[in-house]
Amino acid sequence: KAGVTQTPRYLIKTRGQQVTLSCSPISGHRSVSWYQQTPGQGLQFLFEYFSETQRNKGNFPGRFSGRQFSNSRSEMNVSTLELGDSALYLCASRNLNEQFFGPGTRLTVL
Amino acid sequence: GESVGLHLPTLSVQEGDNSIINCAYSNSASDYFIWYKQESGKGPQFIIDIRSNMDKRQGQRVTVLLNKTVKHLSLQIAATQPGDSAVYFCAENTNDYKLSFGAGTTVTVRA
Repeated sequence: KAGVTQTPRYLIKTRGQQVTLSCSPISGHRSVSWYQQTPGQGLQFLFEYFSETQRNKGNFPGRFSGRQFSNSRSEMNVSTLELGDSALYLCASRNLNEQFFGPGTRLTVL
Repeated sequence: GESVGLHLPTLSVQEGDNSIINCAYSNSASDYFIWYKQESGKGPQFIIDIRSNMDKRQGQRVTVLLNKTVKHLSLQIAATQPGDSAVYFCAENTNDYKLSFGAGTTVTVRA
């Protein structure tokens, strides 16, 4: 069974731009969560989607948004990028309690 | 080797020795706890989990201990190997489907 896939793996953007990241969960998993990982703040929860509905949200500004499609694939969008948005963005799909993480998308904002 | 106390960011251990990584969690309502291993350039990898109605769970070379009284979690790795070098995170799950992660401990295995 294929694992969680994320695209792109690396991305470089400039301040003020917007970015869309994609995540394909493990087949059959309906829950997708997004996390931001930085050296200073560690791993922080962004949001979780289940059956196309946002079920929970972390403490991030409204510039961070997401959605989930009927095939459980998910995208997250960050608008008006700031330097502090540079991070590894991780997606995890879940079956019951166990979460499986993808390799992440490394976003660099210049 | 052991990361003594609430949390130490790094742990150096001799190959073949046992490792103990400690973690303090914050929410007494958390019902499920997970240890993850993250190697450079990769996403976190599930190691072992434990529910709040248990105090000990064993896997292959790993044991997780849960002390709800002091909100403490530990991961024991037996006979540490070079491939165990990584950053280890504990995570707690509340009832609202999100994981809160600890700061992580970098384990370095000395040959």
